Amino acid sequence: DLVLTQTPLSSLVTLGQPASISCNSSQGLVHRDGTTYLSWLHQRPGQPPRLIIYKISNRLSGVPERFSGSGAGTDFTLKISRVEPEDVGVYYCMQVTQLPYSFGQGTKLEIK
Amino acid sequence: EVQLVQSGAEVKKPGGTVKISCKVSGYTFTGYFIYWVKQAPGKGLEWMGLVDPEDGETIYTEKFQGRLTIAADTSTDTAYMELTSLRSEDTALYYCVKGGADYWGQGTLVTVSS
Repeated sequence: DLVLTQTPLSSLVTLGQPASISCNSSQGLVHRDGTTYLSWLHQRPGQPPRLIIYKISNRLSGVPERFSGSGAGTDFTLKISRVEPEDVGVYYCMQVTQLPYSFGQGTKLEIK
Repeated sequence: EVQLVQSGAEVKKPGGTVKISCKVSGYTFTGYFIYWVKQAPGKGLEWMGLVDPEDGETIYTEKFQGRLTIAADTSTDTAYMELTSLRSEDTALYYCVKGGADYWGQGTLVTVSS
């Protein structure tokens, strides 16, 4: 099965500073249709996860521009240009290219 | 407005069975897979399986194979997840998720305790 490995597992960031999370896949994530189905989700305490980025770099409607996704092949990155208080929580990468679908372990983002 | 509304919390004994429902509205039920995702207390997300409501085809992870049944009822736009032979490690929040992961149910807490 395909494994997604996130780094770091936790991150302490000063308000207004950037944050970056990496997601490495054990196999390439290009689907046979040519699309890479790598997404990023954000989960605040006590809430279901929320999709913020899909197909590597597409922001969902309503997601602030400070969030961006990039990468290709097996290495992907979520960047927050300037961390805001509401950005705290756990971030997960997720792939729906290959069955069984899978999530990274999660990265906990906290504010200094 | 897209909504996935799950059934309420359950408390079950070890060895028992739990069945959770997920009522969908706001989009064409047969147009998207429904995934089921497990989140144990304080842990990450674990993908369990999916159903294609259009034809009822299911895919399960090997870990849950044999204990997990996922189904979809197109007459009521409702998906179901049934887990048997429950053990303490099955205590978790279970989410139904619209294919694409852009909409999630509110989660159903299942507690397995004697």
